[in-house]
Amino acid sequence: KAGVTQTPRYLIKTRGQQVTLSCSPISGHRSVSWYQQTPGQGLQFLFEYFSETQRNKGNFPGRFSGRQFSNSRSEMNVSTLELGDSALYLCASSLDISTDTQYFGPGTRLTVL
Amino acid sequence: QKEVEQDPGPLSVPEGAIVSLNCTYSNSAFQYFMWYRQYSRKGPELLMYTYSSGNKEDGRFTAQVDKSSKYISLFIRDSQPSDSATYLCAMSDNYGQNFVFGPGTRLSVLP
Repeated sequence: KAGVTQTPRYLIKTRGQQVTLSCSPISGHRSVSWYQQTPGQGLQFLFEYFSETQRNKGNFPGRFSGRQFSNSRSEMNVSTLELGDSALYLCASSLDISTDTQYFGPGTRLTVL
Repeated sequence: QKEVEQDPGPLSVPEGAIVSLNCTYSNSAFQYFMWYRQYSRKGPELLMYTYSSGNKEDGRFTAQVDKSSKYISLFIRDSQPSDSATYLCAMSDNYGQNFVFGPGTRLSVLP
């Protein structure tokens, strides 16, 4: 069974631009969660989607948004990029709600210049 | 006080040693406890998953949960250089409303 895939793997943007990251969960998984990982803050929860609905949201500004499609694929968008948005963005999928086992993708490394 | 505390390390041990990794937490609502291993430039990989208190063993790995002390541990027996990675604890409540990771402990197993 294929794992969680994320595209692109690496991205370089400049301040003020916007970016869209994509995540394809494991086949049959309906829950997708997004995390931001930085050396200083560690892994921080962004949001979780289940059946195309945002179920949970972490403590991030409104510049961070996401959505989930009917095939469970998910995208997250960051608008008006700031230098501090440079991080590894990880997507995790689980069969059901987030208490179920989560499987992580390899992440998208975003660098904001 | 952070919700989940974990010694960031780095922790260096010789090959074959027993490694003990620990997390403490403050939220008594946490019921699910997980340990993830993350190699450099990779996403976290689930190692152990336990519900409530008790021990769980899987090969060289043993996870312990002590809810009365709000303390969880991961033991690695006969550690190998391939175990060198960052280990993150994670936990959540019964409703999936609060899924939190520890900051991770960086482990180096020296040949």
